[in-house]
Amino acid sequence: TQLLEQSPQFLSIQEGENLTVYCNSSSVFSSLQWYRQEPGEGPVLLVTVVTGGEVKKLKRLTFQFGDARKDSSLHITAAQPGDTGLYLCAGAQGGSEKLVFGKGTKLTVNP
Amino acid sequence: NAGVMQNPRHLVRRRGQEARLRCSPMKGHSHVYWYRQLPEEGLKFMVYLQKENIIDESGMPKERFSAEFPKEGPSILRIQQVVRGDSAAYFCASSQAGYGYTFGSGTRLTVV
Repeated sequence: TQLLEQSPQFLSIQEGENLTVYCNSSSVFSSLQWYRQEPGEGPVLLVTVVTGGEVKKLKRLTFQFGDARKDSSLHITAAQPGDTGLYLCAGAQGGSEKLVFGKGTKLTVNP
Repeated sequence: NAGVMQNPRHLVRRRGQEARLRCSPMKGHSHVYWYRQLPEEGLKFMVYLQKENIIDESGMPKERFSAEFPKEGPSILRIQQVVRGDSAAYFCASSQAGYGYTFGSGTRLTVV
């Protein structure tokens, strides 16, 4: 059983379109992070959200943490080919330092 | 120190050999984590270390796998008597306060 479910698993869109990817769980997390990973490289941290209902914006990326701290979403506006990659969400529970990762959403933005 | 340094980037071992993966954390980071990523799978936690201490090894297989983070030098993930199922990408991450890891580029282990 996957603790963090990400959807969709794959997403292929045209440049300029908007998209939202989701990260859902039945468990509560003390914090949730989003990473982007490119082939052959390690994940790169995009954002950390810690407060239920929190919304963070990073240029064209908007991250939201659910009120109950069980789910999160990532919205990208006007996607560009450079946004192509594997988007991973990861959660920390309680005082634990370890992260639980979802399987990711593989995004392809076509020119 | 530009980031978390892992070496080697690629490692090929025959079944039964030992694999040693090294990780130098970012300057000033005292927390090191090892994760394993299998194809089509998410990253799975293996072990969390601070200098000279294993804090959480709940994700580490009980046999053949060990990790250390000595007072001096890099953190080492050691896999003895490798089997084909150990083939994966192994990522090291470091942090200072636990919020937000910096990952290395990984070591891709292939067991032949």
